[in-house]
Amino acid sequence: DAKTTQPTSMDCAEGRAANLPCNHSTISGNEYVYWYRQIHSQGPQYIIHGLKNNETNEMASLIITEDRKSSTLILPHATLRDTAVYYCIVSALNNAGNNRKLIWGLGTSLAVNP
Amino acid sequence: DSGVTQTPKHLITATGQRVTLRCSPRSGDLSVYWYQQSLDQGLQFLIQYYNGEERAKGNILERFSAQQFPDLHSELNLSSLELGDSALYFCASSPRTSSYEQYFGPGTRLTVT
Repeated sequence: DAKTTQPTSMDCAEGRAANLPCNHSTISGNEYVYWYRQIHSQGPQYIIHGLKNNETNEMASLIITEDRKSSTLILPHATLRDTAVYYCIVSALNNAGNNRKLIWGLGTSLAVNP
Repeated sequence: DSGVTQTPKHLITATGQRVTLRCSPRSGDLSVYWYQQSLDQGLQFLIQYYNGEERAKGNILERFSAQQFPDLHSELNLSSLELGDSALYFCASSPRTSSYEQYFGPGTRLTVT
């Protein structure tokens, strides 16, 4: 079962920042937060991941609260091409430390409007 | 382009039939994952292989099986197909089983009539 809760849908104006929240209140200490997105019926695309520090890359920023029970993905200047379903996933290595499995929820459908 | 290829792109078949979906991972990636996505549903993890060996199993039906070959490509076999098996099937790959990122192929859309 997915360990995250996300809003079903959100809207954002083109050029504005899109802030996508995710609750993961049962996250354990060794679990990372991952974000992927899926543009209509295409294969999902990795965006970013983090453990407890905020992270930034060329696509987005990830803000994780100090208690790690929630996080926010920020697309700083959303474009029409950012319209997609965004998935927040928490996952850790297995006990043997040699495998990482992602359990997907239903995600947030983000619509970027002109 | 993620570097992961899947064939065929579309497949239409009848109930009771058997099909094989093929996946070629990114060059150098040893781990392959299979996912099923039904209409308006999230991705359901089916199975994972690493360097030819099964590494993890998810919600894979007994009618489904997979394997990874020495050249690292993988095949997902679906048999005794039912209408409910109609879905998008994605393959993903990663360099190692502990990798943070999975790289997804474009998917195979299976329609069972």
